[in-house]
Amino acid sequence: GAVVSQHPSWVICKSGTSVKIECRSLDFQATTMFWYRQFPKQSLMLMATSNEGSKATYEQGVEKDKFLINHASLTLSTLTVTSAHPEDSSFYICSARDLLAAYGYTFGSGTRLTVV
Amino acid sequence: AQSVTQPDIHITVSEGASLELRCNYSYGATPYLFWYVQSPGQGLQLLLKYFSGDTLVQGIKGFEAEFKRSQSSFNLRKPSVHWSDAAEYFCAVARDDKIIFGKGTRLHILP
Repeated sequence: GAVVSQHPSWVICKSGTSVKIECRSLDFQATTMFWYRQFPKQSLMLMATSNEGSKATYEQGVEKDKFLINHASLTLSTLTVTSAHPEDSSFYICSARDLLAAYGYTFGSGTRLTVV
Repeated sequence: AQSVTQPDIHITVSEGASLELRCNYSYGATPYLFWYVQSPGQGLQLLLKYFSGDTLVQGIKGFEAEFKRSQSSFNLRKPSVHWSDAAEYFCAVARDDKIIFGKGTRLHILP
């Protein structure tokens, strides 16, 4: 089945630094990928839709300059949290859509970001 | 507007008992609906999905869900739960090609 690899699975960084999270579709091409954020014991909130070769579409209230998204190839999207602060600490999950499968959304295993 | 509502934040059942998790949607005449499960600190696993056709959908791990248009519901069921079913369960709907999640129901299993 379709597999999405997300890396790293956890990261700790100092306040003010930037962190990059990768999302790769391993066995299918994903023209569209999605980035979600999940606070402890809460639901997944869609942050942005990443389209290969074009700018990401951000949901209302998500800071574009804080969360930089790049989707340079059909199998890779990256989320960079810039100038991270403790309030950015969260669980980030990506999802990739396999266009060959009817509504085939596959999720990565998530990245736990802790900003100290 | 809220697309998916999961009215129960927590559900506790005894091992071996039956389970029903509720989900109501408010988007689209023919919604695309999903149930996902998430173990602590883990990603999401798709249990089942409904697009059209038979309103009773069979999924993995012995789960099933029934789509009821008249009630705008897509409840998840399992006839006999196992301790390993303890997790967070999310109902979701596809809206504008995006997956939108409900707030989730935490399932606790009593031994």
